Amino acid sequence: GENVEQHPSTLSVQEGDSAVIKCTYSDSASNYFPWYKQELGKGPQLIIDIRSNVGEKKDQRIAVTLNKTAKHFSLHITETQPEDSAVYFCAASGGGTSYGKLTFGQGTILTVHP
Amino acid sequence: GAGVSQSPRYKVAKRGQDVALRCDPISGHVSLFWYQQALGQGPEFLTYFQNEAQLDKSGLPSDRFFAERPEGSVSTLKIQRTQQEDSAVYLCASSFGRGHAETQYFGPGTRLLVL
Repeated sequence: GENVEQHPSTLSVQEGDSAVIKCTYSDSASNYFPWYKQELGKGPQLIIDIRSNVGEKKDQRIAVTLNKTAKHFSLHITETQPEDSAVYFCAASGGGTSYGKLTFGQGTILTVHP
Repeated sequence: GAGVSQSPRYKVAKRGQDVALRCDPISGHVSLFWYQQALGQGPEFLTYFQNEAQLDKSGLPSDRFFAERPEGSVSTLKIQRTQQEDSAVYLCASSFGRGHAETQYFGPGTRLLVL
């Protein structure tokens, strides 16, 4: 089955700096890669996703890049703000009989210092 | 509009008790997923429903875990004879269509503590 590795496990930045989180996946059939933000006591909330037919997607301060050959994808947050502090998860899902079930990375605790 | 809701939000059970966790997906969503999230970990897939049909239960950790969605809307995850290792947050997610490459909307989760 699919395996997703996520790095780093913790990331501390100053307000206004950029933050980058990287993930690798093992199943070449995976074709959908969402990123979720999870705040304490809440469920994961989708912040951006990318499908395998594109290499990059941007939404204001957030961007995701995908390298299918290397089987890795990254989240980039620019101009970080204290409210960006949370746990971020990458995930992957494939076609076939996966029915879209998500395999998650281990998470990155992002702390943005004012 | 209303998102995915789950109840109860917190549940404390004595080892050996049975528990039932409820998920109300977004109205009209065909797909419903259950995930288990251990402390400090990412969510792990448990089971998947497409309408009322349970198409994938490969992630259920033992036969003590049972899920149903009898009318294709509300779903219940039941855990029989709870064990301490069942302590986790149980997340429910729904998506509009048949699941492939679709946004999954998560509920707030039920935090289960087994003493």
